[in-house]
Amino acid sequence: EVQLVESGGAVVRPGGSLRLSCAASGITFDEHGMSWVRQAPGKGLEWVSGIDWNGGTIGYADSVKGRFTISRDNAKNSLYLQMNSLRAEDTAFYYCARAVTSAMRDAYDIWGQGTMVTVSS
Amino acid sequence: DIQMTQSPSSLSASVGDRVTITCRASQGISNYLAWYQQKPGKVPKLLIYAASTLQSGVPSRFSGSGSGTDFTLTISSLQPEDVATYYCQKFNRDLGVTFGPGTKVDI
Repeated sequence: EVQLVESGGAVVRPGGSLRLSCAASGITFDEHGMSWVRQAPGKGLEWVSGIDWNGGTIGYADSVKGRFTISRDNAKNSLYLQMNSLRAEDTAFYYCARAVTSAMRDAYDIWGQGTMVTVSS
Repeated sequence: DIQMTQSPSSLSASVGDRVTITCRASQGISNYLAWYQQKPGKVPKLLIYAASTLQSGVPSRFSGSGSGTDFTLTISSLQPEDVATYYCQKFNRDLGVTFGPGTKVDI
């Protein structure tokens, strides 16, 4: 079965850090770009960060630039998001999503179920 | 930065109705546009990419059109299972990735 499974979401205090993981199975992970997309409760979708198939091209939304770091390990079929200096406005469900092609900026055809990050004191 | 708008923000229609949702980009984006459906409590699902290409497995009542700045998603005959929020998304190496604000469709 083709699936992406996120983990690592938690409740964290402002200024804290978290590392999200996304494990892929049933897909050819290393041929596709990947992204993290978040959705605050009751709100719309926001692209957070993306990485192309081999990690050669990486991008971030302005709202997280300098605080979040995306990475991937193709040998482990895994995607990561290191989140530092967390703010209340980072509270959201975080989805990992597979790009249709090897690029990171693309349409996304497979989505994980999401992991919840809550930033609160 | 290129902004994406959608109209209407919400709509209510009857089963069997033809429904059209519009997405507009503040600058031309060629056909670098996708449409997603998100049902309540569920994960977004890709419906259409490259403005008009139907994703595998998506019912043929869904269709997309447009290029440049103006795009439409059409549901030819609305079904009860189509109740969802629909998002457009632009994507391109030079244009970045941005989702529209969404259109909520009810029966």
